[in-house]
Amino acid sequence: GAVVSQHPSWVICKSGTSVKIECRSLDFQATTMFWYRQFPKQSLMLMATSNEGSKATYEQGVEKDKFLINHASLTLSTLTVTSAHPEDSSFYICSAGTSGRSAYNEQFFGPGTRLTVL
Amino acid sequence: AQKITQTQPGMFVQEKEAVTLDCTYDTSDPSYGLFWYKQPSSGEMIFLIYQGSYDQQNATEGRYSLNFQKARKSANLVISASQLGDSAMYFCAMREGLGINEKLTFGTGTRLTIIP
Repeated sequence: GAVVSQHPSWVICKSGTSVKIECRSLDFQATTMFWYRQFPKQSLMLMATSNEGSKATYEQGVEKDKFLINHASLTLSTLTVTSAHPEDSSFYICSAGTSGRSAYNEQFFGPGTRLTVL
Repeated sequence: AQKITQTQPGMFVQEKEAVTLDCTYDTSDPSYGLFWYKQPSSGEMIFLIYQGSYDQQNATEGRYSLNFQKARKSANLVISASQLGDSAMYFCAMREGLGINEKLTFGTGTRLTIIP
């Protein structure tokens, strides 16, 4: 199957610092990558969609200046949480889409990154 | 209006029994796909089964089957012969459009607990 990795798997940081999360497609080129946020006991909420070489499209209510997304190559997208605060503590999951990999065009999900802001 | 509705926050099922997890959806797009994912406590999203809006037959993948009732806009997941390892959160999701660039909208999930 298609493998997507995320790094780090967990991070603890102080309030006010910035945190970068990487999402990599290991065995395929991802035309599109998606970033989700999941609060405890809640569903996945899409934050933004990014396409390689272009600006990310953010969902309504997501601050683009706070959650910086860079999709620099077909195998790497990064999410930077700038000036993180405790309310940003969450589980961040990326997914990647590619054509021709399966019959369903499903998204392949990374294992997630748990962010805790103190 | 919610695009994906899962009305069962939690379910308890005896091991080896079958279980049905409910999912209803709302869309005016004639081309859409419905997905079910399993999320164990570790957090990863595991793809289980897919149903396309134009598929004539209900999807099946091993012990998983999807009861697709298009007129009712429902896509219930059926797990046969449940196992202890099936205990997890289950999410129904919809993609409006069939392309890889289309986003997924998730339901609120159902926490399934299998009782030995």
